[in-house]
Amino acid sequence: EVQLVESGGGVVRPGGSLRLSCAASGFTFDDYGVAWVRQGPGKGLEWVSGINWNGGRTRYADSAKGRFTISRDNANKSVDLQMNSLRVEDTAVYYCARVHNSGFLYYFDSWGQGALVTVSS
Amino acid sequence: DIQLTQSPSSLSAYVGDRVTITCQASQDISNYLNWYQQKPGKAPKLLIYDASNLETGVPSRFSGSGSGTDFTLTLSSLQPEDIATYYCQHYDDLPITFGQGTRLEIK
Repeated sequence: EVQLVESGGGVVRPGGSLRLSCAASGFTFDDYGVAWVRQGPGKGLEWVSGINWNGGRTRYADSAKGRFTISRDNANKSVDLQMNSLRVEDTAVYYCARVHNSGFLYYFDSWGQGALVTVSS
Repeated sequence: DIQLTQSPSSLSAYVGDRVTITCQASQDISNYLNWYQQKPGKAPKLLIYDASNLETGVPSRFSGSGSGTDFTLTLSSLQPEDIATYYCQHYDDLPITFGQGTRLEIK
């Protein structure tokens, strides 16, 4: 069974940092790209970042560029999202999602349960 | 960035009704369009990919159609378990964007 499990969410002050992790199991991890998608309270879905199968290419939404860094460790079947200079508007549930190919552009066929990040003073 | 506009934003219908949700893209995206269902407190779930392909395990009452800029998600006979918010998503180019969502309720 394909599983994605996020961890690392929590409460952080504006300007602070947080690192989210996504642990994968049940599939050949390095065959797939992975994305982070977030959902603010009562809001819709927003693609944040993506990483290709070997970590050689990464992409970011404008809202994340220069502040967030996505990385992956294929040996340990995990993807991280390092978030720096956090803002109140980054408050959201962050989902890890598997891309149905080795890159960025296709559908998300499996999702984690989400990790709540709250940025508040 | 490609904008996706869903309509309606919310919808109330009776069990057994045929329900249609539309998604309009701001430019031609061929068939690079997917649909998701999200129930409260849960992660989104893929329903339809490439505009009209039903994901494995999704009930056949769900169907998708369209190409270019205009797309439709149809539920042929609404069931109580279909209460959720539905999102379209394109993958024509980065950034990937989602529609604003359509909240479906039972009358």
